[in-house]
Amino acid sequence: KNEVEQSPQNLTAQEGEFITINCSYSVGISALHWLQQHPGGGIVSLFMLSSGKKKHGRLIATINIQEKHSSLHITASHPRDSAVYICAVSTLSNTGNQFYFGTGTSLTVIP
Amino acid sequence: DAGVIQSPRHEVTEMGQEVTLRCKPISGHNSLFWYRQTMMRGLELLIYFNNNVPIDDSGMPEDRFSAKMPNASFSTLKIQPSEPRDSAVYFCASSSPGLAITGELFFGEGSRLTVL
Repeated sequence: KNEVEQSPQNLTAQEGEFITINCSYSVGISALHWLQQHPGGGIVSLFMLSSGKKKHGRLIATINIQEKHSSLHITASHPRDSAVYICAVSTLSNTGNQFYFGTGTSLTVIP
Repeated sequence: DAGVIQSPRHEVTEMGQEVTLRCKPISGHNSLFWYRQTMMRGLELLIYFNNNVPIDDSGMPEDRFSAKMPNASFSTLKIQPSEPRDSAVYFCASSSPGLAITGELFFGEGSRLTVL
């Protein structure tokens, strides 16, 4: 069983649509991270959050600690948003941080 | 800051050859992670270091893989001998501050390895 589950695995949207990607986790966490990976590119951190909601431009990330669930929303989607979005959680032990990753959601936004 | 720096960006080698991947974490970060990414399995943690000490290497596939972190600014991942199934993108990531609170994770651009 994966510690982090994402849905959907693949998503195709028309430009301008509102997009939601979901992430559920099964471990106690210190923080949840949303990452973005463009085709052939590196991985960048979009958000790190441990409660509530964060917003950056057209991107919004929310987390519900009680339900162990997070969502990443993209408003007014654009073709340049096409990428793989990865949910990751970090746990803290007496030896340091450990990270667990979802398998990613591949988003394609069609003009 | 230049971010996490990995080298080489691309490597093509023949089966049986030794491969060494290098990583320079962000200055001041004391946690360093090596990941492997494939289409089939996504991102897999291979090993991570905290304060240059290997903490968890349970993800290292087998004895052909080894990783070192001789100092806070440099780490290597070595595969010897390499096999075609090792073909993947290998990412290095660093985080701070480590033991106190969870820090944001910063990735290098990855090293794409192809073993023929």
